[in-house]
Amino acid sequence: GAGVSQTPSNKVTEKGKYVELRCDPISGHTALYWYRQSLGQGPEFLIYFQGTGAADDSGLPNDRFFAVRPEGSVSTLKIQRTERGDSAVYLCASSLNTGLSPLHFGNGTRLTVT
Amino acid sequence: SQQGEEDPQALSIQEGENATMNCSYKTSINNLQWYRQNSGRGLVHLILIRSNEREKHSGRLRVTLDTSKKSSSLLITASRAADTASYFCATDLQGAQKLVFGQGTRLTINP
Repeated sequence: GAGVSQTPSNKVTEKGKYVELRCDPISGHTALYWYRQSLGQGPEFLIYFQGTGAADDSGLPNDRFFAVRPEGSVSTLKIQRTERGDSAVYLCASSLNTGLSPLHFGNGTRLTVT
Repeated sequence: SQQGEEDPQALSIQEGENATMNCSYKTSINNLQWYRQNSGRGLVHLILIRSNEREKHSGRLRVTLDTSKKSSSLLITASRAADTASYFCATDLQGAQKLVFGQGTRLTINP
């Protein structure tokens, strides 16, 4: 079956621009997570959705970052006024529910801010 | 912030040898999971061990958990070149609905 799909796979943008990163989770998965991974580091938690609501957004670095999941399926991570420090791979993952369920990851979007 | 720390950061062994990676964490957990990541790809779930379990096996993988020491180990037996990847432990913090990942161990299996 289809796994977690992330688009685009690569995004190059200029400093100060706005970007949107999309995540299509596995059908039926109620939990959706966004992580950010820098080179040589582990994934860093950004935000977690249970259904349509953001249950935990404690990992968002600042108010330039925002994520939505309006119908409880597809999610969009939005970054305003991008900075070079935002360059990283943004990973999305979904799971059947929270807690003990393993996460299923997409291949990520590599964001480069020039 | 990172909860877990993997040790070693990098490991290089010959094909056929066993590879052991360790993970330490700081706070009480519900469960601990191990993931694998090939270069340029997303993470793939390997194994989950609950806080009341001490050891778990899956194929050539063996995971142990010592909650008194807040540590876990992942053993890969009879390693193959295809096992070359980064391996991460992740903890499900009690009271929090998120997985927190460590920095990872980069494993290289030399043919």
